[in-house]
Amino acid sequence: EADIYQTPRYLVIGTGKKITLECSQTMGHDKMYWYQQDPGMELHLIHYSYGVNSTEKGDLSSESTVSRIRTEHFPLTLESARPSHTSQYLCASSDRDFGYNEQFFGPGTRLTVL
Amino acid sequence: AQRVTQPEKLLSVFKGAPVELKCNYSYSGSPELFWYVQYSRQRLQLLLRHISRESIKGFTADLNKGETSFHLKKPFAQEEDSAMYYCALKAQGGSEKLVFGKGMKLTVNP
Repeated sequence: EADIYQTPRYLVIGTGKKITLECSQTMGHDKMYWYQQDPGMELHLIHYSYGVNSTEKGDLSSESTVSRIRTEHFPLTLESARPSHTSQYLCASSDRDFGYNEQFFGPGTRLTVL
Repeated sequence: AQRVTQPEKLLSVFKGAPVELKCNYSYSGSPELFWYVQYSRQRLQLLLRHISRESIKGFTADLNKGETSFHLKKPFAQEEDSAMYYCALKAQGGSEKLVFGKGMKLTVNP
């Protein structure tokens, strides 16, 4: 079934740990995105990719990094987590056709850094 | 800079009442505007976009460039409309990046 997956759904870790948030999609989409959302606040784009080996930083500065080695996989990594990284992280994907295409969102990962 | 403002965070109405969720934007070019919705324990999903000019689940939204607004309206709210609603803007051109508002929680009471 075509879908977009995020793991883990919830993560509580200590300061200084390295973490990777996984995002995979079986939608056949070329474009993928990472958003960060603090409670009660707007979604901010932190990374996006238009295809394999293509990654760009979004509008909100983030200490995280991403990679796009496979079309369906777009992991986000924090080398050293800090309490300021506590947030919800949403992954999304969209198709490549001309014009705007709907972004499909994953269920999100809620990260808490102690 | 592109900006989306949803001035109200909460709206509570009774079933059958009209609702209007306000959205104002700031953008010097020709934007595309969208409404995304997140129902309880579900994912964020597209509700409608101004280009389509269609009614989805009874909701409509008209882009008013003079007032830089894209308010979401429904004449008779239903309990299943209770959700978080986000207005979003896409700049003209090839970029697919969206700028979101802070969202508004709509509660429709029986």
